[in-house]
Amino acid sequence: QVTLRESSPALVKPTQTLTLTCTLSGFSITTSGMCVSWLRQPPGQALEWLARIDWDDDTYYNASLKTRLSISKDTSKNQVVLTMTDVDPVDTGTYYCARTRRLDGNWYLDVWGRGTLVTVSS
Amino acid sequence: QSALTQPPSASGSPGQSVTIPCTGIGSDLGENLYVSWYQHHPGTAPKLIIYDITKRPSGVPGRFSGSKSGYTASLTVSALQPEDEADYYCCSQTVRQTWVFGGGTKLTVL
Repeated sequence: QVTLRESSPALVKPTQTLTLTCTLSGFSITTSGMCVSWLRQPPGQALEWLARIDWDDDTYYNASLKTRLSISKDTSKNQVVLTMTDVDPVDTGTYYCARTRRLDGNWYLDVWGRGTLVTVSS
Repeated sequence: QSALTQPPSASGSPGQSVTIPCTGIGSDLGENLYVSWYQHHPGTAPKLIIYDITKRPSGVPGRFSGSKSGYTASLTVSALQPEDEADYYCCSQTVRQTWVFGGGTKLTVL
């Protein structure tokens, strides 16, 4: 069974760096064609895609947040980590990770985690 | 502001059909076919229910169907059941290998 589980501190102070961890089960991030994306949803707002890392270490970022984001993988732990620098209260929200892979030739976010709620406040 | 537009709410009685539209701003939906829909019961993991506009992943009931016309994609839920009450999000992959979402539609089964 494929599952993803997000973890993070629940509360982060403004200007700090937020580190989010996605632990994968049922598949390996090193398997060809496997990728993981991070997304977030501020309270009452739409989902926003943030970043993606591929099995071959290719990375993609939301252009509006690229200077603050860094995505990486720890293959020994089968985890994907997203760091976000200089956080602000507007970064408050639920953060999700999702397996990303080709379905019938096109890329989709096919299995998601339940999300982790992050609050940015002093 | 979402790149894709959905109505904030929709409703129907058990057994009825409901259609949720998703309109693309610009050409996100018009230029590619990479449209998907997600069902989200709050507190749980969002679930992929439609991809490639019309396809259902294994295990998704046939009551869920997708379509597209011009810059509007639609999700239809037929024969509504109480467990269909959830938030539904449309999604489109852009040519830049990123994804944009609609604001979500809360479906209420009356």
